Amino acid sequence: QVQLVQSGAEVKKPGASVKVSCKASGYTLTSYGISWVRQAPGQGLEWMGWISTFNANTHYAQNLQGRVSMTTDTSTSTAFMELRSLRSDDTAVYYCARIAKWGEEFFDLWGRGTLVTVSS
Amino acid sequence: EIVLTQSPGTLSLSPGERATLSCRASQSVSSSYLAWYQRKPGQAPRLLIYGASSRATGIPDRFSGSGSATDFTLTISRLEPEDFAVYYCQQYGSSPITFGQGTRLEIK
Repeated sequence: QVQLVQSGAEVKKPGASVKVSCKASGYTLTSYGISWVRQAPGQGLEWMGWISTFNANTHYAQNLQGRVSMTTDTSTSTAFMELRSLRSDDTAVYYCARIAKWGEEFFDLWGRGTLVTVSS
Repeated sequence: EIVLTQSPGTLSLSPGERATLSCRASQSVSSSYLAWYQRKPGQAPRLLIYGASSRATGIPDRFSGSGSATDFTLTISRLEPEDFAVYYCQQYGSSPITFGQGTRLEIK
């Protein structure tokens, strides 16, 4: 079955880091790019950036530059998103999504989301 | 950054009725790179439409997309019970990628 399976919910303190995983199954990870999208409570969807799973090139949203890193481990078909220096407004559900067509960043497969709660 | 404004915020209709959802962009969307997604509680978002009017694989033909430049529409011709959900538009014609705030389609 083609799917993206994300890691479980996390609770972090302000200033800490979180690393969310996204394992691809049913297809070859390196055949498609991965984007990360988040949704804070009561807010809309916010694109965070993408990673080329083929050559590890990345492109991050400007407001997250310096705090976010996207990586992949092709041996386990897993993509990762790490967010550092967490703040309370980073509390959100984080989704990984498969880029359907390189050069056209719409998403044909999504994970179910990982809730990250930042609280002291 | 292109801001997408969806309307209405909530749409109350009955099964069998026609639903028309709007997505308006603050600037022209390059190459009509506009997608629509459906999301139900506890589920991953589902791609419905890309390129403004192309249906994704496996999407029933009661879903159709139209529009260009700054005005886009998702139409559901005859609502089925499983269609009641939240719908989002997304533009991918320019960076950063942006999403609309969503339209909640609820049963009347």
